Amino acid sequence: GNSVTQMEGPVTLSEEAFLTINCTYTATGYPSLFWYVQYPGEGLQLLLKATKADDKGSNKGFEATYRKETTSFHLEKGSVQVSDSAVYFCALIKGGKLIFGQGTELSVKP
Amino acid sequence: ETGVTQTPRHLVMGMTNKKSLKCEQHLGHNAMYWYKQSAKKPLELMFVYSLEERVENNSVPSRFSPECPNSSHLFLHLHTLQPEDSALYLCASSREFRATSGGPGELFFGEGSRLTVL
Repeated sequence: GNSVTQMEGPVTLSEEAFLTINCTYTATGYPSLFWYVQYPGEGLQLLLKATKADDKGSNKGFEATYRKETTSFHLEKGSVQVSDSAVYFCALIKGGKLIFGQGTELSVKP
Repeated sequence: ETGVTQTPRHLVMGMTNKKSLKCEQHLGHNAMYWYKQSAKKPLELMFVYSLEERVENNSVPSRFSPECPNSSHLFLHLHTLQPEDSALYLCASSREFRATSGGPGELFFGEGSRLTVL
């Protein structure tokens, strides 16, 4: 079936460090891919998305590239800030349903 | 302001109680969703309503009963719950729900209702 797998957290980084959160997916065809972010005490917000192979989504310094050959959509940021501390969810759409990974908690220390 | 409001934010109930969660969206969207968020597990889609009709019911136990009286409001009625039902219940909306192509695109989430079943 369709599924999304993310790296386990928590991920703890120092401010200005480089961030990678791995995400791989299993699906037939070419689903649209998303990253959502959940800040403490809040609901999920769309961070970025990509709708076809080799597309790069970007927002707030975060980037992710849709890699069909490796079925991956890894999230990266060159220099994280304390305010980036949150839970990040990778997701895909298939059959009209948004299917999420389990989430990866990021903690950025000053 | 998220545009999607959930009440109550926190709820503690016994296994024999009956309670309801409420969700309201002010975005003019046609589709609304209930998700269950448990620790260290993927978000689970529970129900989808499109234009006030249920289009998805993901094998959710009958002790959870959704209601969508209009496109702006969504309820989740709870009765005889189990302790393992304790979780964060998230409501979301989208401009539309399309099962045949594309999908809903961006979902807008509320802040969730934290449910504890004793």
